[in-house]
Amino acid sequence: KAGVTQTPRYLIKTRGQQVTLSCSPISGHRSVSWYQQTPGQGLQFLFEYFSETQRNKGNFPGRFSGRQFSNSRSEMNVSTLELGDSALYLCASSLQAGGPNTGELFFGEGSRLTVL
Amino acid sequence: QKEVEQNSGPLSVPEGAIASLNCTYSDRVSQSFFWYRQYSGKSPELIMSIYSNGDKEDGRFTAQLNKASQYVSLLIRDSQPSDSATYLCAVNVNTGFQKLVFGTGTRLLVSP
Repeated sequence: KAGVTQTPRYLIKTRGQQVTLSCSPISGHRSVSWYQQTPGQGLQFLFEYFSETQRNKGNFPGRFSGRQFSNSRSEMNVSTLELGDSALYLCASSLQAGGPNTGELFFGEGSRLTVL
Repeated sequence: QKEVEQNSGPLSVPEGAIASLNCTYSDRVSQSFFWYRQYSGKSPELIMSIYSNGDKEDGRFTAQLNKASQYVSLLIRDSQPSDSATYLCAVNVNTGFQKLVFGTGTRLLVSP
């Protein structure tokens, strides 16, 4: 069974540009979550999608957006990049949609973004 | 106050010893708790989940939950050098949907 696939794995952008990251979840998983990981802040929740609907959003500015397609694949976009956006962006898929016993996430290898 | 707090470490233990990793959380209504392991340069992987007060054992790993004290711990018995990694405590902040809040992780070093 294929795992979570994220593309691209590495990318370098300059300030002011925008970037789109892609995530293909494990087959059959309909929930996709995105996290930003930095050395100082750790893993920070960005948003979660289920059945093409954003169910939850973290405390990030509106420059961070995402979407999910009917095949559960998800994309996230960061516009007007800032130096502080340099991070590892992790996508995670889950079989369950929510509720008290969810949180069993399967992570992709991540997309490492460097903003110059 | 951070939602999920962990000691950043490093926690150094000799091979064969018991490693004890601790985590506290602030949201009293949280109902599901997880431990993820992250090797350097890799993504997190789930190693334990616990939903009820008490202990849950899986091989060399034991997760302990005390909801009254808002405390979760992970014990690793017979620690091996291959256990050297960062261990992330995660709590599902039950807003009705999926939102897992992670601690910043404890780095574990197991020396041969």
